[in-house]
Amino acid sequence: GPKVLQIPSHQIIDMGQMVTLNCDPVSNHLYFYWYKQILGQQMEFLVNFYNGKVMEKSKLFKDQFSVERPDGSYFTLKIQPTALEDSAVYFCASSLGQGADYTFGSGTRLLVI
Amino acid sequence: TQTVSQSDAHVTVFEGDSVELRCNYSYGGSIYLSWYIQHHGHGLQFLLKYYSGNPVVQGVNGFEAEFSKSDSSFHLRKASVHWSDSAVYFCAVSGTGGYKVVFGSGTRLLVSP
Repeated sequence: GPKVLQIPSHQIIDMGQMVTLNCDPVSNHLYFYWYKQILGQQMEFLVNFYNGKVMEKSKLFKDQFSVERPDGSYFTLKIQPTALEDSAVYFCASSLGQGADYTFGSGTRLLVI
Repeated sequence: TQTVSQSDAHVTVFEGDSVELRCNYSYGGSIYLSWYIQHHGHGLQFLLKYYSGNPVVQGVNGFEAEFSKSDSSFHLRKASVHWSDSAVYFCAVSGTGGYKVVFGSGTRLLVSP
């Protein structure tokens, strides 16, 4: 079936540096999401994005976080600057509409050292 | 605010056994209820969803779930599990007017041969 591609699969970065996580969503999907999962724990909602705008974000979506999807290219999550507590697996998802099934990527494992 | 509760963090059964994974939710309006499966090191995969109509919904690989408004539940069942069903299962809820899906804490299912 259709897939969400996340690049890179792993990223190690020094604390304080900037990182960009890339997501190539399903081509006809309109809603995009980022979730954060610390090892063995729950999937935590970060943000969703539709029509070029952030529609909703959680308390975990700190001021250092930003998202964009310029000109229908990758849907990106940027963290600047990174902190140790940002270490987690970040999952991108997309859906055709509200309430529709999500298609998830395989995640980007981020380690901040 | 919608919440999802999965009371069992771990469930262990033998291959061929039946299994029920429990999910209770709280939400004041119309909702979508879903189940997702996460194999180790992968993103979440959609299993099934309920919005209205027949309270028993069929999903992939022999899974089904039953919605109960009186119990605020959406338990997942399978009549005969296979070792490949070992994974973490997440129950999820989203409001029809909202943009985000909220996940439960997950139930790790281990199927012993």
